[in-house]
Order: sequence, then C-alpha cells, then structure tokens
Amino acid sequence: GAGVSQSPRYKVAKRGQDVALRCDPISGHVSLFWYQQALGQGPEFLTYFQNEAQLDKSGLPSDRFFAERPEGSVSTLKIQRTQQEDSAVYLCASSSPRYTGELFFGEGSRLTVL
Amino acid sequence: RKEVEQDPGPFNVPEGATVAFNCTYSNSASQSFFWYRQDCRKEPKLLMSVYSSGNEDGRFTAQLNRASQYISLLIRDSKLSDSATYLCVVNSRINNDMRFGAGTRLTVKP
Repeated sequence: GAGVSQSPRYKVAKRGQDVALRCDPISGHVSLFWYQQALGQGPEFLTYFQNEAQLDKSGLPSDRFFAERPEGSVSTLKIQRTQQEDSAVYLCASSSPRYTGELFFGEGSRLTVL
Repeated sequence: RKEVEQDPGPFNVPEGATVAFNCTYSNSASQSFFWYRQDCRKEPKLLMSVYSSGNEDGRFTAQLNRASQYISLLIRDSKLSDSATYLCVVNSRINNDMRFGAGTRLTVKP
C-alpha cells in the first residue's frame, strides 16, 4: 500500500480481555517501530524490529505486552489481560532501508479499556 | 529521567511572532536528531532533520549543540497553520531506535 496501515482504528476492550493490533508497513521498509501515546503526551517507545528481528523491546511496559513480526513485514502487538492504564493510541511506524531518519506513521489504533 | 525532554508549553503566540522550542537529550551516543509535527488526533510527521551545523527550511531553523546535548527549533513569522504539537526526536545509532520527547504545544492566534 501507499502508507502504513493499522487495524483496528478503534478498539474497546473490557478489562482483562486480550487484544491484538496489526501494522502493515510500507513495502520494503526494513525497520518497524511501535509506540504508545497517551492523551497529551508524546509517543513512548515500545519496541523496534529490523526485518523479523526484534532488536529492542525495552519499552514494553510489562510482560502482558508482546510484539512479533514473523516474516519481516506485518507486525502484531498483543496485549494480554488489558488494564485501564493500557488505554492509549498505539502508533506503528516504518522507515526506509536507505536511512533518512524519517519515520512514516500509521493513523494509530485507539484502545479504550473499560 | 526521560531520554528526551522538552519545554512543557503550551505556547500561545500571535500571528507573526517568533517562537523557540528547546529540547535536551540524555544519551550522549545519540547520532541523529529531528523535529516532528503532530496535529490534533493525527499521526506525527517529519518537519525537519537537525544537522550539526544548523539548518534552515523557510521560516524554520533548527540547531544542535552536541556539547550541551541540546536541540532547538525557531519558527519565524508564525502562521495560524503552525498550530500543532512539536516533537523532538533523537536516534541512537547503537540501537537505531527513535525516542520522542513529550512534545510542546503551540497555538498561534489571530
């Protein structure tokens, strides 16, 4: 596709429910990033992939959060046993193999945990 | 302490004003620096890269001070359309990950 695609755009989950958020990066982009953005805050780094390798997962807030990119393209961020504090916009971004520093973001998945 | 810290804002300025945003970073291994712009309820988009020698793009000027680990963005002759949140972004070549500041909100008023 022309840009980074994320789904679902909106997700309402009951506390304790598991959710899966999908990111389809720009074709050919090697690097893929997940960020969590709470209202009024900047994007907080969660994890980073280069192809299928997860090079940094230091930003994942707990072991309830898990990300994968098994074939080096589409990525899934899974949150188990969701809590109210998980409510946020989850942003996915990809960048070109010719490193320019420009991240291309999807529109985000807005998660609300009730 | 956060890796990237910015002026909290908000900045409310009249049209035509000059406004400056500051950002400091803690990781001395950081190699690349950027300013992104984020409109309300939209995704961040690259505004400009920040080079060691300083760089200018129209009304926007970015500067880097590696010794002080400090980055700035200057907007001259501000327009209503400049109203947005400005995010400072720092990349570490070691991990190649990109870390964002909390953002500074700018509102330009008529």
